[in-house]
Amino acid sequence: KNEVEQSPQNLTAQEGEFITINCSYSVGISALHWLQQHPGGGIVSLFMLSSGKKKHGRLIATINIQEKHSSLHITASHPRDSAVYICAVQGNYGGSQGNLIFGKGTKLSVKP
Amino acid sequence: EPEVTQTPSHQVTQMGQEVILRCVPISNHLYFYWYRQILGQKVEFLVSFYNNEISEKSEIFDDQFSVERPDGSNFTLKIRSTKLEDSAMYFCASSRIYQETQYFGPGTRLLVL
Repeated sequence: KNEVEQSPQNLTAQEGEFITINCSYSVGISALHWLQQHPGGGIVSLFMLSSGKKKHGRLIATINIQEKHSSLHITASHPRDSAVYICAVQGNYGGSQGNLIFGKGTKLSVKP
Repeated sequence: EPEVTQTPSHQVTQMGQEVILRCVPISNHLYFYWYRQILGQKVEFLVSFYNNEISEKSEIFDDQFSVERPDGSNFTLKIRSTKLEDSAMYFCASSRIYQETQYFGPGTRLLVL
């Protein structure tokens, strides 16, 4: 069983649409990360959150610790947002030292 | 803006050969990580390193793997005798403290023939 599940796996949107990507996890965590991976392979950190909500530009990330669920929203999507969005969690179980457990990613394609 | 760098960007090697992947973390960061991503699969944790020693390692990180911080700036991953299944993209990451944003390097794509 995967400890981090993302949905959908693939998402195609028209430019300007509001996009939501979901992440559920089954382990105790100290923090949740949203990452962006571009076609060339590079990984960029978008958010790290342990409660509530964070906003950066057109991106919003929320987390519900009780429900073990997080969402990443993109408002007014643009073709340059096309990438794989990855949810990753930092466990808080004994011995864990910050390493991330990754979901499989959501491949987003935004059409002009 | 400071960034994590990795060399080489690509490496092709023969099965059984040793490879060393190099990373230069951000200078004031204290925690260092290696991750790998086999083509088409999710990113997986290999090892974390803090205070000049391994703090955690995954089942993947067996005796064929080792990490080192040979000087104040470099952080290396060595694979002693490469196997075909070691072919993957290897990412180095660093963070200032344990629970903080991790900054990823651009990756080294390793191909074992």
